[in-house]
Amino acid sequence: QVHLVQSGAEVRKPGASVNVSCKTSGYSFSNFYMHWVRQAPGQGLEWMGIITPSGDSTTYAQKFQGRVAMTRDTSTSTVYMELSRLASEDSAVYFCARESSGSYRAFDVWGQGTMVAVSS
Amino acid sequence: DIQMTQSPSSLSASVGDRVTITCQASQGIVNYLNWYQQKPGQAPKLLIKDASHLVTGVPSRFSGGGSGTQFTLTISGLQPEDFATYYCQYYDFSLPLFTFGPGTKVVIK
Repeated sequence: QVHLVQSGAEVRKPGASVNVSCKTSGYSFSNFYMHWVRQAPGQGLEWMGIITPSGDSTTYAQKFQGRVAMTRDTSTSTVYMELSRLASEDSAVYFCARESSGSYRAFDVWGQGTMVAVSS
Repeated sequence: DIQMTQSPSSLSASVGDRVTITCQASQGIVNYLNWYQQKPGQAPKLLIKDASHLVTGVPSRFSGGGSGTQFTLTISGLQPEDFATYYCQYYDFSLPLFTFGPGTKVVIK
């Protein structure tokens, strides 16, 4: 069975960085693109970026460019998302999601979400 | 950039009702459109891919339609477990670009 298990909730001060992990299991890790999506309290879903199956390429939504870094570790089947220079507006639940294989592109499996709170 | 809008932003309905949610793209996106359901405190769940293809395991009361700029998600015979927020998602088939609509919340009347 496919699972994406994310790291626990984090609290950070403004200006700090946060690193969220997403450990995958139940499928061939190296064959799938991975994404990160965030959701501020009471708000909608916001796509942050994508990392290729090999991890050699990333693309970030313009809003996060220069402030986000996505990586993956094949040895542990884990993907990571680091967001720096945090502000209160970055308080949100962060989800990792697997992109489906095949002729369409959709997020078919999701992690449980990681709450990040930014507060002084 | 392609912008996605959804209407209504929320709707009130009763069990057994037929409900239709609309998603509009600012320019033509062929059928590169997915639908997700999200319940409070949970991750989104993929319901429909490529505008009209029901994901395996999703009840047949859910259906999707449309192409180009106008898309619909219909729930025929609303069930108690269907009260949730629904998001459309545009994807670019060639580029790494994904955009969610603002969501439609379905609440109990």
